[in-house]
Amino acid sequence: EDQVTQSPEALRLQEGESSSLNCSYTVSGLRGLFWYRQDPGKGPEFLFTLYSAGEEKEKERLKATLTKKESFLHITAPKPEDSATYLCAVQAWEYGGSQGNLIFGKGTKLSVKP
Amino acid sequence: NAGVTQTPKFRILKIGQSMTLQCTQDMNHNYMYWYRQDPGMGLKLIYYSVGAGITDKGEVPNGYNVSRSTTEDFPLRLELAAPSQTSVYFCASSYPTSGGPDTQYFGPGTRLTVL
Repeated sequence: EDQVTQSPEALRLQEGESSSLNCSYTVSGLRGLFWYRQDPGKGPEFLFTLYSAGEEKEKERLKATLTKKESFLHITAPKPEDSATYLCAVQAWEYGGSQGNLIFGKGTKLSVKP
Repeated sequence: NAGVTQTPKFRILKIGQSMTLQCTQDMNHNYMYWYRQDPGMGLKLIYYSVGAGITDKGEVPNGYNVSRSTTEDFPLRLELAAPSQTSVYFCASSYPTSGGPDTQYFGPGTRLTVL
């Protein structure tokens, strides 16, 4: 069964204190791994797509990496405006490759204090 | 582009009432999805559509119906609302690429309470 586990559930950082969020996954055949940011009362906002082990992508203070079993979202020198819940999702190759369904983790709630 | 829009933003229903959650996208995406998000849980797929006239069930379809008459619109219908349908509902869309990942873009959500 395809599944996604994110850790930690919650993370409190001081402004400027770098850290990493983990996303462990089990999937029959990985089509893609996605990171989203979700602010309270808002919809998930797309951040990154990864699909090949060893792949890395960066955006401002965020860098996402991918291995065959997990992905990390590294946050360098975070600011209070980086506070949000970060969601990880995987997409598997279904028979015929016709489905794009995402399997989501429960998210990591990040709080960055000034 | 407005992206994916959803209406209403909030709604309170009584048990047994019905309603339709509206979703529209202006990105000419073929694929559209409905998810629900419960506190402390990951998003769960309710229904999806790969094009006008084609829909299929996701992980948690019971109590819901969908239709897809146009590329842009994908309404979600709740019949005989129950307290278990209290949740936040998100619509998403994507333009799948053959041989690669399919990135989904989400709307702002509809918060539904059934009392």
